[in-house]
Amino acid sequence: AQTVTQSQPEMSVQEAETVTLSCTYDTSESDYYLFWYKQPPSRQMILVIRQEAYKQQNATENRFSVNFQKAAKSFSLKISDSQLGDAAMYFCASFSGGSNYKLTFGKGTLLTVNP
Amino acid sequence: KAGVTQTPRYLIKTRGQQVTLSCSPISGHRSVSWYQQTPGQGLQFLFEYFSETQRNKGNFPGRFSGRQFSNSRSEMNVSTLELGDSALYLCASSFAGSGKQYFGPGTRLTVT
Repeated sequence: AQTVTQSQPEMSVQEAETVTLSCTYDTSESDYYLFWYKQPPSRQMILVIRQEAYKQQNATENRFSVNFQKAAKSFSLKISDSQLGDAAMYFCASFSGGSNYKLTFGKGTLLTVNP
Repeated sequence: KAGVTQTPRYLIKTRGQQVTLSCSPISGHRSVSWYQQTPGQGLQFLFEYFSETQRNKGNFPGRFSGRQFSNSRSEMNVSTLELGDSALYLCASSFAGSGKQYFGPGTRLTVT
């Protein structure tokens, strides 16, 4: 079974500053993927970034980057130059490459961006 | 390409009734997954379909069922609704059942 833990229920950041959201996971699978999804007030889930577990290089997508520590089972998301539009609930999720075909989500971190 | 669509967007039902929710995936995607989102339990996996076959099911009672059609559209059905079934139901599609899933806007179900 996979578990995903987000220990920060809420975070806040000043506009233009950098913030890091934490996530730890546990899995017995050797082939898995990790994701950060964003859910703004509209409730539309949006994929932010994906990390393949077999890749050592950390994924980046514009202002979003991850710090993937495989041995520690840690997967944090860094948002640089925060913008008001980044305000949302952020979910960390895992997906195994085996046969269960499901995303396992953490409880989420609510990010507030202050102007 | 058009995104994932879900209908209806909002639904109010009475306890004991049944409900059917619909999901149309992105064109070319053959996998459809369903998730339930509630404030208390968060996001929970309901089931996943690929080429009309259910490949996995979450820990939900048998009142929750689903199916997928040959055009990859999917429906989920909840029978004998309970107050606790009030939730946002999210559908997601992917090309072949990968974690890179694209979500629809959800159906907000309220059971009174």
